[in-house]
Amino acid sequence: TQLLEQSPQFLSIQEGENLTVYCNSSSVFSSLQWYRQEPGEGPVLLVTVVTGGEVKKLKRLTFQFGDARKDSSLHITAAQPGDTGLYLCAGARTGGFKTIFGAGTRLFVKA
Amino acid sequence: EAGVAQSPRYKIIEKRQSVAFWCNPISGHATLYWYQQILGQGPKLLIQFQNNGVVDDSQLPKDRFSAERLKGVDSTLKIQPAKLEDSAVYLCASSLALSRSETQYFGPGTRLLVL
Repeated sequence: TQLLEQSPQFLSIQEGENLTVYCNSSSVFSSLQWYRQEPGEGPVLLVTVVTGGEVKKLKRLTFQFGDARKDSSLHITAAQPGDTGLYLCAGARTGGFKTIFGAGTRLFVKA
Repeated sequence: EAGVAQSPRYKIIEKRQSVAFWCNPISGHATLYWYQQILGQGPKLLIQFQNNGVVDDSQLPKDRFSAERLKGVDSTLKIQPAKLEDSAVYLCASSLALSRSETQYFGPGTRLLVL
């Protein structure tokens, strides 16, 4: 059982569509991070959310941290082929320093 | 600024053989991490160093895996002997400090195939 559950596992959409991916846990996290990983590369950090209810925007990407700090979502507006990749959420539980990763959502945006 | 360097990029070995991976973190980064990423899964932390001391190695299979970070800079991860289930990408990452929200910078990984 994954401590961080990500959904959906796979998503294939057309260019221009909107999408939301989710990261859920039964545990409280002191912070959550979203990474994107492309084939043959290591994950690259997109954003860190720290405060419950926090919303951060990065161009067409909107990240939200749940009020209880147990879940997070990533919304992409008008997806582009360049958004294709594996989106990973990760975090450290309250009181710990070990980073735990979810299994990821694999996104494919067709031109 | 140079990123995290890893070598080799690819390695194919037979089961029961030994293998070693090398990581050079970003200059000045005190914290170094080794992760194992099995196909279709997210990275799993194997070991975390703060300078040359181990912070967490609770998920490192110590009967076959070992890691060291001499002088608090470069690090090596060794598997001896390898098993089929060790086939994975081994990612090294570094961060400036030990903090829950500190940015981790990842290297490109070493792809290991055990036959």
